[in-house]
Amino acid sequence: EIVLTQSPGTLSLSPGEGATLSCRASQTVFKNKLYWYQQKPGQPPRLLIYRASTRATGIPDRFSGTGSGTDFTLTITRLEPEDSAVYYCQQSGTAPLTFGGGTRLEI
Amino acid sequence: QVQFVQSGAELKKPGDSVRLSCKASGYDFTSYPLHWMRQAPGQRPEWVGWITPDDDETNYSQRFRGRVTISKDRAATTAYLEVRGLTSEDTAVYYCVRWAGGADPWGPGTLVSVSS
Repeated sequence: EIVLTQSPGTLSLSPGEGATLSCRASQTVFKNKLYWYQQKPGQPPRLLIYRASTRATGIPDRFSGTGSGTDFTLTITRLEPEDSAVYYCQQSGTAPLTFGGGTRLEI
Repeated sequence: QVQFVQSGAELKKPGDSVRLSCKASGYDFTSYPLHWMRQAPGQRPEWVGWITPDDDETNYSQRFRGRVTISKDRAATTAYLEVRGLTSEDTAVYYCVRWAGGADPWGPGTLVSVSS
């Protein structure tokens, strides 16, 4: 199965700053079927980015995804306190679907 | 809007079985695959399996194959997940999720606790 490794494990930043979250796959993610989710305590994950770079409905343009192959990045600009959450990457290009271990973002 | 109503929390003993339900509304239930994910406390989400929207074909993670069954009732727009032979490692929140080019949205989840 494809192993997704996220870094850093924890990121502590101030409001207004930018964040760069990394997701590295153990093998090529087929058709860039790589997704990013945000999860706040007590809530289910919420889809932010699909197919590596397309924002999901209602997601502000402060969130952007880039990358292909095995290296993917989620960038969040102009951080706000409500961006505090755990961010997961996930791939569906090769069964089984797998998730990264998450990056905790503290604002 | 798309909504899921999942069944209530369950407390089970090792070896028990559990059947969870997920009622969907706000979209054409027969047009999107329905996945089940789970998330143990403090852990990443984990894919359990999925069911196709029209012909009820299922696919399960190898980790759970033989121990889980996903089904659905199209008329009731409800999906089900049965897990058999529960162990403490099955303690988790179980989510139903619509697959719309990404897991979106997720249901609120059902907590399954397994303890002797």
